[in-house]
Amino acid sequence: AQSVTQLGSHVSVSEGALVLLRCNYSSSVPPYLFWYVQYPNQGLQLLLKYTTGATLVKGINGFEAEFKKSETSFHLTKPSAHMSDAAEYFCAVTLYSSASKIIFGSGTRLSIRP
Amino acid sequence: EAGVAQSPRYKIIEKRQSVAFWCNPISGHATLYWYQQILGQGPKLLIQFQNNGVVDDSQLPKDRFSAERLKGVDSTLKIQPAKLEDSAVYLCASSSLVGGTDTQYFGPGTRLTVL
Repeated sequence: AQSVTQLGSHVSVSEGALVLLRCNYSSSVPPYLFWYVQYPNQGLQLLLKYTTGATLVKGINGFEAEFKKSETSFHLTKPSAHMSDAAEYFCAVTLYSSASKIIFGSGTRLSIRP
Repeated sequence: EAGVAQSPRYKIIEKRQSVAFWCNPISGHATLYWYQQILGQGPKLLIQFQNNGVVDDSQLPKDRFSAERLKGVDSTLKIQPAKLEDSAVYLCASSSLVGGTDTQYFGPGTRLTVL
């Protein structure tokens, strides 16, 4: 069965600094991986996803993530943090099948210091 | 295009009462999902519909939770009777393709507080 671990329930960075949110997965077969963002009192919005092909995936709002099979990781990065990036971020994994379901990590709250 | 609609946005009830949530997915989306998100945790899938059939309800507490998707469009999730531990945000999502790899679009959620 697949699972997701997000390291650090809360990350705080200064505005303009590098953002790094960590995600490790466990899967017996090649997974599909996602990052979602959730702003207060809102639903989840897809930032980016990896299915097959290029391991470096670019998403919205300047975020990107790299699939590293050897490390079973899918860390999310952004070169320069903006105040509007403050939100909850969820990593998720699924296996491709008609009945597959997405398993979410427990989330990382990103705070941005002025 | 209109997003996933959910109502109500907030609901406060006492334990042992009943409550129902409504979801209207994006037009044309065949797959509909209900998630439970407890404070401080990631969303947990409760039930997945494809059109009006159930694909996965393995994590739905069937003794108190029920869901239906009549005519393969709108869906209703019901809790009867509610327990304190049901306090959570209930998220509805929809996607256009079969399976979990297509992008899921989420509604704003219904925040349930059970007193």
